[in-house]
Amino acid sequence: EIVLTQSPATLSLSPGERATLSCRASQNVGRYLAWYQKKPGQAPRLLVYGASNRATGVPARFSGSGSGTDFTLTISSLEPEDFAVYYCHQRYSWPLPFGPGTKVDVK
Amino acid sequence: EVLLVESGGGLVQPGGSLRLSCVASGFDFSNHWMTWVRQVPGKGLEWVANIKQDGSEKWYVDSVKGRFIISRDNAKNSLYLQMNSLRVEDTAVYSCVREMYYYDSVGYYADHWGQGTLVTVSS
Repeated sequence: EIVLTQSPATLSLSPGERATLSCRASQNVGRYLAWYQKKPGQAPRLLVYGASNRATGVPARFSGSGSGTDFTLTISSLEPEDFAVYYCHQRYSWPLPFGPGTKVDVK
Repeated sequence: EVLLVESGGGLVQPGGSLRLSCVASGFDFSNHWMTWVRQVPGKGLEWVANIKQDGSEKWYVDSVKGRFIISRDNAKNSLYLQMNSLRVEDTAVYSCVREMYYYDSVGYYADHWGQGTLVTVSS
């Protein structure tokens, strides 16, 4: 069973700063990885699929990279609405676990 | 607009049963894999079960196998989750999720989520 780990658990940054979030898989998942943004009281939002493809309507400041076991979500310049929890999710093999999440909060 | 609306959550005692429903609108429901995902309040996300377009294929996370049953009625644009032998650890918000096939990535990804319905298992 594939396990996803995310680091750091919390990232404290100011608006305008660059955020770099990491997701590591315990086994090769190819490029079958997605990133989601979750805000309190809201449904998760798909940001990136296939490791590096931005979903419809997602701003260009969000970018994904990586393959195999190491993946990165980068937010080039944080906007106030970007402070949230971010989850990675592998779609390579069942049971399709999510990572534990990285909380991006205001410094 | 894609809309997924869940219902059926509530308070149930350990060992009890609940049936969750999700009504979909704004897209061709019969053309999509559908999924249930849960989130324990304050904790992370867990993929619970999913079902193929025609209901012929179903997958469950180990922790719910033999207790939960996912089903769908394409004529009613509805997804269901029958939850039996409920445990305290099943307490979570359960969300209905649409799967979308992305040709540029050759894979399925969850692209729309409902707001969820809270299931509380407690004596």
